[in-house]
Amino acid sequence: GENVEQHPSTLSVQEGDSAVIKCTYSDSASNYFPWYKQELGKRPQLIIDIRSNVGEKKDQRIAVTLNKTAKHFSLHITETQPEDSAVYFCAASMRSNYQLIWGAGTKLIIKP
Amino acid sequence: DSGVTQTPKHLITATGQRVTLRCSPRSGDLSVYWYQQSLDQGLQFLIQYYNGEERAKGNILERFSAQQFPDLHSELNLSSLELGDSALYFCASSVDARGGLDTQYFGPGTRLTVL
Repeated sequence: GENVEQHPSTLSVQEGDSAVIKCTYSDSASNYFPWYKQELGKRPQLIIDIRSNVGEKKDQRIAVTLNKTAKHFSLHITETQPEDSAVYFCAASMRSNYQLIWGAGTKLIIKP
Repeated sequence: DSGVTQTPKHLITATGQRVTLRCSPRSGDLSVYWYQQSLDQGLQFLIQYYNGEERAKGNILERFSAQQFPDLHSELNLSSLELGDSALYFCASSVDARGGLDTQYFGPGTRLTVL
């Protein structure tokens, strides 16, 4: 069936370094890929998204890249700060019912 | 603040009971989605309504049901509650009927504890 695999499950980086989270999807017809950030006890919030007609999108310290051939997309956070500590979820659209299928999440820890 | 509201914030109840969770979408959004998030787990899609009609179903148990009213607010009903139903329940809304193609805005969630 359709699924999204997200790696790593936990990522610990030094403050100021870069962090990369990768997701692999199975549905070749997927064409929308959002990333959400969830701080402890809070709601998930969209931080960036990309559609299949674009290979890369940037928003200040955050970027997302998409490789349709390999069916994977990645979140890149540069110059990490303590407030980047959170759980990050990727998702991909499913052709079967036009819903999102979600990755399992990555807990990002920024070490001071 | 996403503009999506959920009540109550917290709910504590006993096994076997029934509860109702309420969600009001952002102004102008016609789609409402319900998600379940167990402790330290991912987001499990339960069900979507669009303009009053059920649009898509995910991993929703038969003991759970939902509806969307003419004013577009939605309610999620959970019955015969079990300990394993303890979780955060999120509501999200979007403009489009196709949840996989549109930005979903999440509410603050309802934390359900079943004792």
